[in-house]
Amino acid sequence: KAGVTQTPRYLIKTRGQQVTLSCSPISGHRSVSWYQQTPGQGLQFLFEYFSETQRNKGNFPGRFSGRQFSNSRSEMNVSTLELGDSALYLCASSRQSGLAGYNEQFFGPGTRLTVL
Amino acid sequence: EDQVTQSPEALRLQEGESSSLNCSYTVSGLRGLFWYRQDPGKGPEFLFTLYSAGEEKEKERLKATLTKKESFLHITAPKPEDSATYLCAVQDDLQGAQKLVFGQGTRLTINP
Repeated sequence: KAGVTQTPRYLIKTRGQQVTLSCSPISGHRSVSWYQQTPGQGLQFLFEYFSETQRNKGNFPGRFSGRQFSNSRSEMNVSTLELGDSALYLCASSRQSGLAGYNEQFFGPGTRLTVL
Repeated sequence: EDQVTQSPEALRLQEGESSSLNCSYTVSGLRGLFWYRQDPGKGPEFLFTLYSAGEEKEKERLKATLTKKESFLHITAPKPEDSATYLCAVQDDLQGAQKLVFGQGTRLTINP
C-alpha cells in the first residue's frame, strides 16, 4: 500500500512570492492534515480537511490556506512568503476521526521550503 | 490549551543499555496519545496509539505505557538503528478534530 506522497520535496523561493504544496493521502484515507516543522517551534498544526471541508485550523496567519479535492488530495498555499516560513511542511492522512483505532495519522516525507 | 512536554531533550546510550523516555501532557479530554519516530530529513513514522490509562503496547524493543498524566516509551537493549528523534503527541476529544499537539521530542543516540 503506497504511503503519503508530497510534491515537491524541495523548494526555494524568495520573500514576497507564493508557493503551492501538494499532498496525496493513503488510498482510502479521507482526512488530510498539514503541519509545519521548524527547529525552534517543533511540529505545529496548520489545518485539517475532511470531505473537501476545512474542519480545524491552527494559529497561523491567513497567508496560509489549503483545500482538498474530491479524490482527497490536498494542497496548501502560502502567499507573500516571509523568511520565517522556511520550514519542513508535513502532510498526514488518516481514515477518519471519531472512532478509536481510526485516528492514527500517517505522515509523508515533507516538503522542505527555503525562503531567501 | 493542550500541552505536551518531553524529557529528556537528548539521550545518549550505549548499545544494550535500556532506558525510558517521558511524555507529560495536559489535555481537556484525551482522545489518544501517539508516539512517532522521526529520522533526519524524513517525516514522522507512526509507532503506537494509547487511549486510556493503564494501556500498554509493544513493538520489538519498544514498549509504550500510559497514565492519566504521562506516557513512557521504554527502550530495551537498544541498537544503533534505534537512534532517532522520538515524538509524543496528544489528540483531544473535540469532536471531529484531527489536530495533534506535539512535544519537542527526545533525540536518542545509541552508540555501538
